[in-house]
Amino acid sequence: NAGVTQTPKFQVLKTGQSMTLQCAQDMNHNSMYWYRQDPGMGLRLIYYSASEGTTDKGEVPNGYNVSRLNKREFSLRLESAAPSQTSVYFCASTRTLYNEQFFGPGTRLTVL
Amino acid sequence: ELKVEQNPLFLSMQEGKNYTIYCNYSTTSDRLYWYRQDPGKSLESLFVLLSNGAVKQEGRLMASLDTKARLSTLHITAAVHDLSATYFCAVDIASGTYKYIFGTGTRLKVLA
Repeated sequence: NAGVTQTPKFQVLKTGQSMTLQCAQDMNHNSMYWYRQDPGMGLRLIYYSASEGTTDKGEVPNGYNVSRLNKREFSLRLESAAPSQTSVYFCASTRTLYNEQFFGPGTRLTVL
Repeated sequence: ELKVEQNPLFLSMQEGKNYTIYCNYSTTSDRLYWYRQDPGKSLESLFVLLSNGAVKQEGRLMASLDTKARLSTLHITAAVHDLSATYFCAVDIASGTYKYIFGTGTRLKVLA
């Protein structure tokens, strides 16, 4: 039981490049989330998926897109990376509403 | 604006001492979550508080929730070095949604 996994662990992009962050969970959870963590700002929700087939915007969705590929996988895409997107990205999942979230190990992204 | 505020933001304390971290939130919510994050690591769930008056304890940590005051506390008893970490509280915004708002975190350093 791997829990929540994320790839890659580290990534360096140049401004304007695109990339997709991958997230998968093997806990049969219904809801999945993408957050970014910046120093002094806690975690901010980018997008979430309450269940397979649905996605919704969080606090800071601009510059990102997501895909809930199936119940296990939830990907985050940066179409044209900007230095302001330099951050640590965490994926999380919950079994149902009102449950604690389980977090992946994070992806450290630097945009030059 | 929905806010989750923690104080203090930084806390340096001696081993063996007691202290309390406060989490105030501005939205109506009956559910509050506490997480721990070690440097460079992911977040780990500590407590889930699901109703007014809820109290949970694990080792030297005790969390409580007062939904009327929109306040949760995380009390540390007889701190030890291993408790050094950043602690986050989070609330889910409103019933029927799946959005969580995190506080900015309290960085705790326990000095031997």
